Amino acid sequence: ETGVTQSPTHLIKTRGQQVTLRCSSQSGHNTVSWYQQALGQGPQFIFQYYREEENGRGNFPPRFSGLQFPNYSSELNVNALELDDSALYLCASSSRDSSSYNEQFFGPGTRLTVL
Amino acid sequence: AQRVTQPEKLLSVFKGAPVELKCNYSYSGSPELFWYVQYSRQRLQLLLRHISRESIKGFTADLNKGETSFHLKKPFAQEEDSAMYYCALSAKAAGNKLTFGGGTRVLVKP
Repeated sequence: ETGVTQSPTHLIKTRGQQVTLRCSSQSGHNTVSWYQQALGQGPQFIFQYYREEENGRGNFPPRFSGLQFPNYSSELNVNALELDDSALYLCASSSRDSSSYNEQFFGPGTRLTVL
Repeated sequence: AQRVTQPEKLLSVFKGAPVELKCNYSYSGSPELFWYVQYSRQRLQLLLRHISRESIKGFTADLNKGETSFHLKKPFAQEEDSAMYYCALSAKAAGNKLTFGGGTRVLVKP
């Protein structure tokens, strides 16, 4: 069984640029959630994707957008990067059809630094 | 709105001593509560959930709906328990997103 993977591991961008982060869900999982974890804080929910559609969104502006593909992998896109976007971005996958739907399995994260 | 509060940023205990990590939540409906743990250089992973009512690695947590708390306890801390612990809440009415507390760092000294 393959766990959740994320790429890249680290990324440095400058203000105003755009970034795409990628996530491959765990085998058998059909739901992907994205979280932002600023330094010294707990993860904050950005949005969730199920069957290629957004299924819930946290308090993040529209410049944060995402995609889910037929193989359940996902992308997080952030436009017009700001300094405050510097954080660890976590992807978590889960299976909506199982009895343990709420159990989310996390990837190692992508560390984004905006200069 | 959902909210999770972990009042302690850091807990430092000696090996063999009891440890209790506090977690309080606010949510008007019926939430599901979790404890996630992150060991050094490892990814965030589920430690336990209130529905399963089981002990994992010697840790237990009881959901107290009257006090809206879900404190994590272990009677005898071990050095390998040193990690970052996050309390989290999920609710179906809110799309099953996880709302995390700010985390508590546990340091178990020899």
